[in-house]
Amino acid sequence: EVQLVESGGGLVQPGRSLRLSCTASGFTFGDYAMSWVRQAPGKGLEWVGFIRSKAYGGTTEYAASVKGRFTISRDDSKSIAYLQMNSLKTEDTAVYYCTRVTTVTTRIGAFDIWGQGTMVTVSS
Amino acid sequence: QSVLTQPPSVSAAPGQKVTISCSGSSSNIGNNYVSWYQQLPGTAPKLLIYDNNKRPSGIPDRFSGSKSGTSATLGITGLQTGDEADYYCGTWDSSLSGWVFGGGTKLTVL
Repeated sequence: EVQLVESGGGLVQPGRSLRLSCTASGFTFGDYAMSWVRQAPGKGLEWVGFIRSKAYGGTTEYAASVKGRFTISRDDSKSIAYLQMNSLKTEDTAVYYCTRVTTVTTRIGAFDIWGQGTMVTVSS
Repeated sequence: QSVLTQPPSVSAAPGQKVTISCSGSSSNIGNNYVSWYQQLPGTAPKLLIYDNNKRPSGIPDRFSGSKSGTSATLGITGLQTGDEADYYCGTWDSSLSGWVFGGGTKLTVL
């Protein structure tokens, strides 16, 4: 079964850091780009960023709202994608979803598999 | 303010048909594939339509997608109460070099 499981969420103070993990199973992780999407309480979906597969250089792209603060990385040997979140703000409070990406050359085509999400609360 | 514009809500009776629009520009919908996502209450989103009009395995043909110019449309026929959910469109934006979602549309099956 194709599956994504996020972990690492929790309560964190503003200005602090947190790292989320996304453990994949049921498919060849290294063949796919991976992305993070978040959803603030009662709000819509917001794309956070993605990391391309090694075949496309393993490069990353980020939303303007998190660029310079968040970093996405991957460990293909462990089938894990990470989201390192630094300098957290209260507005980063959201459920964070890990997604598998289908690509169109180097661009995101769609998010075909989603994890169940992990809640991050930024509050003092 | 989302880059892609969707109506906040739509409603229809069971068995009827509904369409949800998604409006963008030449930097996003006009030159990239559109996908649609269904989010049932309290659950993670699920891919409904990709590449403008293709359905993943397991998605019934009651769901359809189309694109014309800088707009896309999701159609749902034979509405069921279980279709009550939030629906989101999304696409790549070449100017932003990033993905954009619509604001979401809440479907109510009366």
